[in-house]
Amino acid sequence: DAGVTQSPTHLIKTRGQQVTLRCSPKSGHDTVSWYQQALGQGPQFIFQYYEEEERQRGNFPDRFSGHQFPNYSSELNVNALLLGDSALYLCASSLIGIGGQGYNEQFFGPGTRLTVL
Amino acid sequence: AQSVTQLGSHVSVSEGALVLLRCNYSSSVPPYLFWYVQYPNQGLQLLLKYTSAATLVKGINGFEAEFKKSETSFHLTKPSAHMSDAAEYFCAVSDQGNNRLAFGKGNQVVVIP
Repeated sequence: DAGVTQSPTHLIKTRGQQVTLRCSPKSGHDTVSWYQQALGQGPQFIFQYYEEEERQRGNFPDRFSGHQFPNYSSELNVNALLLGDSALYLCASSLIGIGGQGYNEQFFGPGTRLTVL
Repeated sequence: AQSVTQLGSHVSVSEGALVLLRCNYSSSVPPYLFWYVQYPNQGLQLLLKYTSAATLVKGINGFEAEFKKSETSFHLTKPSAHMSDAAEYFCAVSDQGNNRLAFGKGNQVVVIP
């Protein structure tokens, strides 16, 4: 079992550019959540995808968008990059299953380190 | 909205001494509580979780935490620190059923030989 994988590992962009980060969930998982971890801070919830739809969203602007594919993998897109978007972006997967309720442990990937210059 | 507070960003502990990391939560509904560990250049690994069963929770690597509703706390302890415990530790809370985690700012643990 490969666990949660993310690509790329590192990325350098300039202000105003757009970026796409990718996540493959743990085998058997159907839900993907994205978190932003700025340097020296705890992760902050961006959004969660289940059944190819955004299910929950944190306090992030519309520049942050996502997608979930039929194979449950997910992308995080950030438009019009700002210096403040520099952070470690973490993907977490879990199994919610039918009914969509209840706690299910989230497994985190190693993250993508984004640097905006 | 739920939140957690972790005081003291850096914690130094001698090898073999007690590790104590404090976490206080704020939640309008019965919470689920978690401790995660993050090693350099890695993602988060779950240490232990409280999901409304036993209030004393045992996790991996000898860590445990006790849920105290009256004190709104979920402090993490380990009786004897090991060099391999040097890492960053995050407390997190979620509402039952929404799988959305709110993290504290973390504690960077340094183990002194």
